[in-house]
Amino acid sequence: GENVEQHPSTLSVQEGDSAVIKCTYSDSASNYFPWYKQELGKRPQLIIDIRSNVGEKKDQRIAVTLNKTAKHFSLHITETQPEDSAVYFCAAGLGTASKLTFGTGTRLQVTL
Amino acid sequence: NAGVTQTPKFQVLKTGQSMTLQCAQDMNHEYMSWYRQDPGMGLRLIHYSVGAGITDQGEVPNGYNVSRSTTEDFPLRLLSAAPSQTSVYFCASSFRAGSLYQETQYFGPGTRLLVL
Repeated sequence: GENVEQHPSTLSVQEGDSAVIKCTYSDSASNYFPWYKQELGKRPQLIIDIRSNVGEKKDQRIAVTLNKTAKHFSLHITETQPEDSAVYFCAAGLGTASKLTFGTGTRLQVTL
Repeated sequence: NAGVTQTPKFQVLKTGQSMTLQCAQDMNHEYMSWYRQDPGMGLRLIHYSVGAGITDQGEVPNGYNVSRSTTEDFPLRLLSAAPSQTSVYFCASSFRAGSLYQETQYFGPGTRLLVL
């Protein structure tokens, strides 16, 4: 089955700096790669996703890049703010969002 | 719309007891899933369904049963609870829109389960 590895497990940045979280996947057939943000005690919420027919997608301060050849994808957050502090999960799926394999999460802390 | 709802919010069970975690969605979504979340391990798929009457196993199905008799409901049954099933359980639903299979998954608020 699919295996998703996520790094780093914790990341501390200063407000205004950029943050990058990286994930690799094992199944070359996977074609759907969402990123979720989870605040303490809350449910995961989708922040951005990308499909294998595109290499990059951007939504305001958040961007995701995908390298299908290397089987890795990354989340980029620019101009970080304290409210960006949360746990971020990457995931990979084949054709559907209903069957996802998640990474182990990255705890991002944005300090003032 | 209420979105995805889960009950109960918190439950304590004794080893060997059985119970059903309820999940419902009012968005007419075809796809529903159950995940468990344990510290340091992310979310792991237990079971999923691509429509009423259709279910399949995920990564960690042992000890759990599901059924999908309606589009709205997707209950998760613990047959004989074990301490290893102590976790936070999330239900999720998703839909496809358009020919490019644009699909977004929405999570419920979760059920925190403690098995003693």
